Amino acid sequence: DVKVTQSSRYLVKRTGEKVFLECVQDMDHENMFWYRQDPGLGLRLIYFSYDVKMKEKGDIPEGYSVSREKKERFSLILESASTNQTSMYLCASSLLGPAIWFFGPGTRLTVL
Amino acid sequence: QQPVQSPQAVILREGEDAVINCSSSKALYSVHWYRQKHGEAPVFLMILLKGGEQKGHDKISASFNEKKQQSSLYLTASQLSYSGTYFCGTQPSGSARQLTFGSGTQLTVLP
Repeated sequence: DVKVTQSSRYLVKRTGEKVFLECVQDMDHENMFWYRQDPGLGLRLIYFSYDVKMKEKGDIPEGYSVSREKKERFSLILESASTNQTSMYLCASSLLGPAIWFFGPGTRLTVL
Repeated sequence: QQPVQSPQAVILREGEDAVINCSSSKALYSVHWYRQKHGEAPVFLMILLKGGEQKGHDKISASFNEKKQQSSLYLTASQLSYSGTYFCGTQPSGSARQLTFGSGTQLTVLP
């Protein structure tokens, strides 16, 4: 079974802190994604990567950056966390082409 | 741009049918359907490709109207386990790497 794991289920940070969210997949998928999920807004794409060291902006990249140094790992970085970044963050991975997206369990981030 | 889903919420009794719609303003390469139960990750249900190939899920079917850029998910003889939030995801033609999700349809099946 494909497994996508995220480093934390719950995270509480202070405004202005640098925050790292880690995602690891074990099925050698080329594509990896970061979404945020907010009530009534669904899942919105922040960034995605289709290869090591490659990244592309999604629909809401402002305030975020990403890093992909290894194929299996994709990190989301909040350089200076703000309260409006309080949300559920979901990582996903997939093969190229018309493939299934596999999601991690999510990290609920609260910024105080 | 996010696809538009309707309805936003639906409540039905066990054994009843439901239809969830998804429409996009862009020409599409594929449409995906996922279900998310409370506190869990979204799980794949269905993928529909331009040209008609469909990969499906037992007892749940879907259609894809390429000309109208619309898809519908059909849940027949619903079971309690069908409860959850359903998301459609769309991949535009020429940009098959991204999957953009709608805002979701909350489905509640009552006994």
